[in-house]
Amino acid sequence: GDSVTQTEGPVTLPERAALTLNCTYQSSYSTFLFWYVQYLNKEPELLLKSSENQETDSRGFQASPIKSDSSFHLEKPSVQLSDSAVYYCALRDLANDYKLSFGAGTTVTVRA
Amino acid sequence: DARVTQTPRHKVTEMGQEVTMRCQPILGHNTVFWYRQTMMQGLELLAYFRNRAPLDDSGMPKDRFSAEMPDATLATLKIQPSEPRDSAVYFCASGLGGRGRSYEQYFGPGTRLTVT
Repeated sequence: GDSVTQTEGPVTLPERAALTLNCTYQSSYSTFLFWYVQYLNKEPELLLKSSENQETDSRGFQASPIKSDSSFHLEKPSVQLSDSAVYYCALRDLANDYKLSFGAGTTVTVRA
Repeated sequence: DARVTQTPRHKVTEMGQEVTMRCQPILGHNTVFWYRQTMMQGLELLAYFRNRAPLDDSGMPKDRFSAEMPDATLATLKIQPSEPRDSAVYFCASGLGGRGRSYEQYFGPGTRLTVT
């Protein structure tokens, strides 16, 4: 079955530091990959999505799927306090119908 | 700006009572998902529908939970009888699936359920 593995949290870093959250997945099929962000007491919201070999960016975040090592790492060169949230990597596997497989989530705290 | 809506936003009830949560998916979306989120278990998929037909409810405790889509604009999740361990935030999400689609899901604001 599908498996999504994320950077273990929590991650704490200062403002303006660079952030990288790792995400790797196991899938035998073509995939759609997503990053969701969940702010405190809010719902998960789509941060960015990508199909194969297509880099995408949103709100200063970037992610580029690398098929050779089944990864979809999330990066931001300079974080802000407002980036404190839980980040989920998710996978939609063409063999898995309409479901998304979510990683366990990584809690990120940005400190002043 | 189309959004998924959920009611109620908060619900406090006593053990043994019936709880009904409602969701209005984004107009035109053909898939609807119910998730439960707790600190201990994270985000769990309970059930989902495509074109109003239930596709998978293996994540739901069958003896007390039921999910339905009476029409394309309404999905319901019922718990009867409720138990304290059902206390969680319940999210509804909708999406558009089909050939050429990317299948992303859009979440509603959630129903925060507390069973005492």
